[in-house]
Amino acid sequence: DTGVSQDPRHKITKRGQNVTFRCDPISEHNRLYWYRQTLGQGPEFLTYFQNEAQLEKSRLLSDRFSAERPKGSFSTLEIQRTEQGDSAMYLCASSLAPGGVTEAFFGQGTRLTVV
Amino acid sequence: GESVGLHLPTLSVQEGDNSIINCAYSNSASDYFIWYKQESGKGPQFIIDIRSNMDKRQGQRVTVLLNKTVKHLSLQIAATQPGDSAVYFCAEIRTAGNKLTFGGGTRVLVKP
Repeated sequence: DTGVSQDPRHKITKRGQNVTFRCDPISEHNRLYWYRQTLGQGPEFLTYFQNEAQLEKSRLLSDRFSAERPKGSFSTLEIQRTEQGDSAMYLCASSLAPGGVTEAFFGQGTRLTVV
Repeated sequence: GESVGLHLPTLSVQEGDNSIINCAYSNSASDYFIWYKQESGKGPQFIIDIRSNMDKRQGQRVTVLLNKTVKHLSLQIAATQPGDSAVYFCAEIRTAGNKLTFGGGTRVLVKP
């Protein structure tokens, strides 16, 4: 257990439905990252926060995706109008700046299946 | 448990032997390289990193080698154990960004 927790661990949803995932980082960590991983691939960067500010978003993050970190602690990732191509593992990681992403700890991920 | 990857290159190694996992990268501007281990149903776990101005770094049972001339990174695991069975990813970080870019993974299977 790395101390980064994600909820739920698994989610099955019908195409077109909205889903929301939650990530609780290690408590003193001010940076939080979201990644997506499909079978057979390495994780792909989606976005990251420093405290409550969203500092970078990947082009992978379409308009249907939104991430928030309202109080600089936990974060949520919402996918609206899910599509089958959204099926993947969604990973959250946290780190303490200035250590940055080299010292990030990953959670166990949320496995999304869109049917 | 869940499978991390179904069609990954696979390295089968006998327990007690040494393992070598290779990774090629393309960006000369990368500053850091990291190896991660990912077990089934879990997130990636940091193993070891190396700065771009180094060519070798050793940890406990692991050694990372960096050859910038041919843009190649390798991870050597000494005396491979059953608990080393996992998918291994290399990742790079560039100065301007604060994100990891992962390469393709290699599945390591340790035979008893």
